[in-house]
Amino acid sequence: DTAVSQTPKYLVTQMGNDKSIKCEQNLGHDTMYWYKQDSKKFLKIMFSYNNKELIINETVPNRFSPKSPDKAHLNLHINSLELGDSAVYFCASSEHPSGIQYFGAGTRLSVL
Amino acid sequence: AQRVTQPEKLLSVFKGAPVELKCNYSYSGSPELFWYVQYSRQRLQLLLRHISRESIKGFTADLNKGETSFHLKKPFAQEEDSAMYYCAVNHGSSNTGKLIFGQGTTLQVKP
Repeated sequence: DTAVSQTPKYLVTQMGNDKSIKCEQNLGHDTMYWYKQDSKKFLKIMFSYNNKELIINETVPNRFSPKSPDKAHLNLHINSLELGDSAVYFCASSEHPSGIQYFGAGTRLSVL
Repeated sequence: AQRVTQPEKLLSVFKGAPVELKCNYSYSGSPELFWYVQYSRQRLQLLLRHISRESIKGFTADLNKGETSFHLKKPFAQEEDSAMYYCAVNHGSSNTGKLIFGQGTTLQVKP
């Protein structure tokens, strides 16, 4: 069973569209994260939720809105997609905020 | 500002050669340092963390607070070690779990 799963794996869309990426973890962890990996492979945290509450909110455009319906899920909704949003987005989870983070396989978003 | 620097984008060695992937950090407080690895077509996974002081797959890393470094070493590289390696620092606070990653180093081990 996959511990942290993201869907979809690939997402190709036009500029201006709205899209969502879903993440689910079956590890029973309290904390979940979203990271962005750019074309140079640089990995940067975007958001973190602990027990459905937002605890990290980096300098990210407000077109990006995370939603955590329960502590096993953290979805990322992106409005009005721009070319610069093209990247690989990784979800991760940890038992608690200072715990080891386990990553999903990533979602490659291409905005045309 | 907190920062993690991996000066080498690519490190290419022959099988059996020693490997050292460099990592320097700038941080105030008590950092917790990690090495994560991403093999081809696989997800990012933890390789080791400084507080556990263990050797994983023959790799070790020692935190040097004087030099603010956490270099990853292996005495004899294997072809299966070829991967992308990221050094990361955790704030160390129990409140956020914010990981700051270095730029990553691709290790290529040639036969």
